[in-house]
This record gives sequence, structure tokens and C-alpha cells, in this order.
Amino acid sequence: GAVVSQHPSRVICKSGTSVKIECRSLDFQATTMFWYRQFPKKSLMLMATSNEGSKATYEQGVEKDKFLINHASLTLSTLTVTSAHPEDSSFYICSASRLAGGSQRQPQHFGDGTRLSIL
Amino acid sequence: QKEVEQDPGPLSVPEGAIVSLNCTYSNSAFQYFMWYRQYSRKGPELLMYTYSSGNKEDGRFTAQVDKSSKYISLFIRDSQPSDSATYLCAVQGTGAGSYQLTFGKGTKLSVIP
Repeated sequence: GAVVSQHPSRVICKSGTSVKIECRSLDFQATTMFWYRQFPKKSLMLMATSNEGSKATYEQGVEKDKFLINHASLTLSTLTVTSAHPEDSSFYICSASRLAGGSQRQPQHFGDGTRLSIL
Repeated sequence: QKEVEQDPGPLSVPEGAIVSLNCTYSNSAFQYFMWYRQYSRKGPELLMYTYSSGNKEDGRFTAQVDKSSKYISLFIRDSQPSDSATYLCAVQGTGAGSYQLTFGKGTKLSVIP
């Protein structure tokens, strides 16, 4: 299989708190991981692409100082929401693609998401 | 015109029916095509992944790609209540750096026992 584990699944915290979300590929190595945000009844919105050993690439409109991404190894990427506010409340989902040789793309496999609620 | 168009439904069918879900895309640079199933409060689960035009079958699921008309479909045979979920189509390019997926809005399916 291709299992992606995301932790925690649910976070409730006070405004101003920083929250770290972990994304792990359990049975494969991933040079590239992706972080998405999903609003209720909406599709996934790509926030950033995380590359192992280099800086993340953020989509337009996503604050890099607000959403810190670290991809320290081939199996782990973290997203830290700094000084979270109620408007940051959302469903955050990560995905990972297997390492692949040549130009062949590998599909993205998703974690089960983290529901973040800022009070 | 949006890059990927997908009817959001909702779609409601009786158990055992054949379900047809469809997407159209606008950019011929897209070469990889995926269908994901997402249950409420869960991440998307990969169902089908195809590269070429034609059909790909996996159990009760068949993915169909027609690159000439930029049309992709997912068929579910003998639908079950457990198939009730939101189905997302996604497309992907092949150029350098084109790893990101472009999703449709998702179609919410309900299979009624």
C-alpha cells in the first residue's frame, strides 16, 4: 500500500497558540509532500509544496510566515500554524508521492486530515 | 473557463445501480488522471490512476479517459451504501515542477439501500 499518516486528527486551542501538524509516509519515501486546506463542502485548495531538504513553495495568497513548513526527511513533513486565529480554523490535509525514477509521475496519497478549531 | 469542471450533484441512486461520474478539463497538457473518494471528515482515498486514453478496471470501478474530448469518467457497478461519499476527479501535467493536482469540485453520491 501507500499509507500516509497525519497527526493530530483534531485540535482545539485558544487564539494565539501555534499548532504543529505532522505528515508521515509510513511505507514509502516521498521527496515531495503537499499541504492542502479544505473548507466545508468545497474542494481541496493547495497551500504549499514541501520538498525534502529545501524550502517549501507556497501558493499565491498563502502567508509563508503564518504557515511554516519543514520537510526534514523523506518520510516526514510538518506544518506549523503560527499564532493561530479563528479564521485559520479549517480542515488541513497532507499528501505524499512516492519517489520515482525518470519523468513518470506517481499518484498522491492523502492523510486523513487535521480538523483545526481556534477559539 | 475553469480547468476542471465537475457536476457537484448531489447524486442519489438506489443500491445496485450503475453510477456514472464525469469531469471535463480544458488543458491538453494534463496527462495524468485520478479519481479519489472522500468520506466525510476524512482525507481523499485514491481509487483510480490512469495515464492513457481508454478504460481501466479495478473491481466494481472503471475509469475511462478520452483525451480527444478532454473527458474523464468513473463508473461504479453494483453500487453499495458504503459507496456513499464525495468523488473527486483530479488531473496532473507532466512538465518539470507540475506535480500539483488540479481537482474538480467533487460530486456527492448517496446510495440508498
